[in-house]
Amino acid sequence: EAGVAQSPRYKIIEKRQSVAFWCNPISGHATLYWYQQILGQGPKLLIQFQNNGVVDDSQLPKDRFSAERLKGVDSTLKIQPAKLEDSAVYLCASSQFNEQFFGPGTRLTVL
Amino acid sequence: ILNVEQSPQSLHVQEGDSTNFTCSFPSSNFYALHWYRWETAKSPEALFVMTLNGDEKKKGRISATLNTKEGYSYLYIKGSQPEDSATYLCAFEGSARQLTFGSGTQLTVLP
Repeated sequence: EAGVAQSPRYKIIEKRQSVAFWCNPISGHATLYWYQQILGQGPKLLIQFQNNGVVDDSQLPKDRFSAERLKGVDSTLKIQPAKLEDSAVYLCASSQFNEQFFGPGTRLTVL
Repeated sequence: ILNVEQSPQSLHVQEGDSTNFTCSFPSSNFYALHWYRWETAKSPEALFVMTLNGDEKKKGRISATLNTKEGYSYLYIKGSQPEDSATYLCAFEGSARQLTFGSGTQLTVLP
């Protein structure tokens, strides 16, 4: 069974630039999550999708972050414009029932 | 805001040593406690999902215990090997069925 795929794996941008991350969940998994993991902290949930609907985006900084999952499969997370404090690993996870399966993450560095 | 704490923050042990880490979490609205292992540049990998007070789980040299009344879980590694080097994350799943992660314990096993 193929795992959760994410791209790119690494991204370096300057502040005020835009960036987008892509996630392809495990086939058949209806629930998709985006997490932000800042160095020294645990992953923090940004947004949760159930199929193509948003279940929870209460911790998503909506002034600069956006996410979509148009066809209920792949998802993209965008930051526009990026700030220095957005430097982090962005993890995507998917689940069918209880257990969440994680991708390898995208490491973003904002200079 | 849920408080999930892990200790120690980092740990260096010699190959062959046994070690343990602690995760403390809220004792109310408990649904499950998850342990993940996260090696550098890889996806976080699920080790255990624990739901019942007194649960003990084992996978090879790694085992975990759960005390939901007092809100803590221990992860034990017997006879540490260099390949055990990773960050070990615990995550509290409450009645809202979302994961709140601790900041992790970074383990380095020296050959």
